[in-house]
Formats: sequence, structure tokens, C-alpha cells
Amino acid sequence: DAGVIQSPRHEVTEMGQEVTLRCKPISGHDYLFWYRQTMMRGLELLIYFNNNVPIDDSGMPEDRFSAKMPNASFSTLKIQPSEPRDSAVYFCASSFLGQGKGEQYFGPGTRLTVT
Amino acid sequence: AQSVAQPEDQVNVAEGNPLTVKCTYSVSGNPYLFWYVQYPNRGLQFLLKYITGDNLVKGSYGFEAEFNKSQTSFHLKKPSALVSDSALYFCAVRDQEYGGSQGNLIFGKGTKLSVKP
Repeated sequence: DAGVIQSPRHEVTEMGQEVTLRCKPISGHDYLFWYRQTMMRGLELLIYFNNNVPIDDSGMPEDRFSAKMPNASFSTLKIQPSEPRDSAVYFCASSFLGQGKGEQYFGPGTRLTVT
Repeated sequence: AQSVAQPEDQVNVAEGNPLTVKCTYSVSGNPYLFWYVQYPNRGLQFLLKYITGDNLVKGSYGFEAEFNKSQTSFHLKKPSALVSDSALYFCAVRDQEYGGSQGNLIFGKGTKLSVKP
């Protein structure tokens, strides 16, 4: 398996623009997680899905952030409009609860810079 | 509520010496415990886990961790540190009994390990 795939790996955009981050989880995994990592705040869970259904979005910072999972093999995290304080590394992770009791496998991350 | 504490922001070790990265947890029921490592500009990589059974768990790259239920700890250890072990280490927990969290893990804030030659 190729592991969790994220695209793009790097994104530089101007304040006010829409940003879409993409994630393909490991085939067969039934959970998908979006995290944000910054030096100041560390690793933050934004939202997670189970079988394509959002379970907990309490970590989503504000209404500018939205996430979807239209099918088991694809998820997006959208920021509209983007702001400089959104600059961070965004990670997607997936897991299968029934096997190994839920260790998560992380993608390589998308480094977002908003100028 | 579930929580994880990594009391040290940074651990410094000389190459060849043993290393320990500390982790304590709090859950209502029995824990599933995990260690992850993050190298610069990379995602988190799964190192090892404790589910049940033997309290000493062995994982990747020569790391091991000891589950201590009475002290609610799950410290990461390695007998002989390498410079290449320098990275950020995260401890995580999930409560076996906390049905509402389902697949979610609670991560600690991370400990930066620095191994000097």
C-alpha cells in the first residue's frame, strides 16, 4: 500500500484566497483524521470521519474551515478565505479500528503558507 | 476525560547512552497506548503500541516502552541512543471503554529528543 497520500505537498497562497487540501486514506481504513501542526500550538485535531461521516468537528477553528469526505478514498479540507494565521502543516491520517486497535497512519503533510 | 502528559519538552542524551522519554496518561477505563516519532519535515510515524498482555512492548528502530498501570505511565526507552534518533516523539492514548471517542487518539504535546555525538 502507498500509505496516506496528501496533495499538494506545499501550497503558497495570498490572504483571502481559497485553499483546498486533499487526502487519500489507506484502502480499507474506516477512520480519517485532519490535524494541523504549528510551533506555537503543536498538533491539533481538526476533524475526524468514520465511514465518511463527520464524527467530531469541534477542533475546526472557525467557519472558514470545512471538510468533506464524499467517499471512502477521498477527503478535502477547505479554507475560504485563507488568512496568514492559517499557515501551518496540515496532516491527514487514517486508521482501522478493528485491526490493531486503531493506530493512525499519517500522510506526509501539506505545508501551507498564506501571505 | 482522557489526557496524556509528556512532562519534558526536550531530552538530551549522549550517543550510546540509554534514553527515556516519559509519558503519563489518564483514562476512565483501560488504555490503548501508542508512541509516534516525527522527523523534520515528515509526518508522524507509528513506533509501537500497548494493547494488552506483556507490559514491555518492543517496536521499530530498537525502541521499547513499558506499561505501568499503577503509575499510569508508558515511558519510551532505548538501551543505546543514536544521533539518528533525534526527532520529536509523541505519546498517545485511547480509552478502551470510551465508546464515544471511537477511533480518536489523544496525543501528548511531544518531546524533542536530541542525541549528541
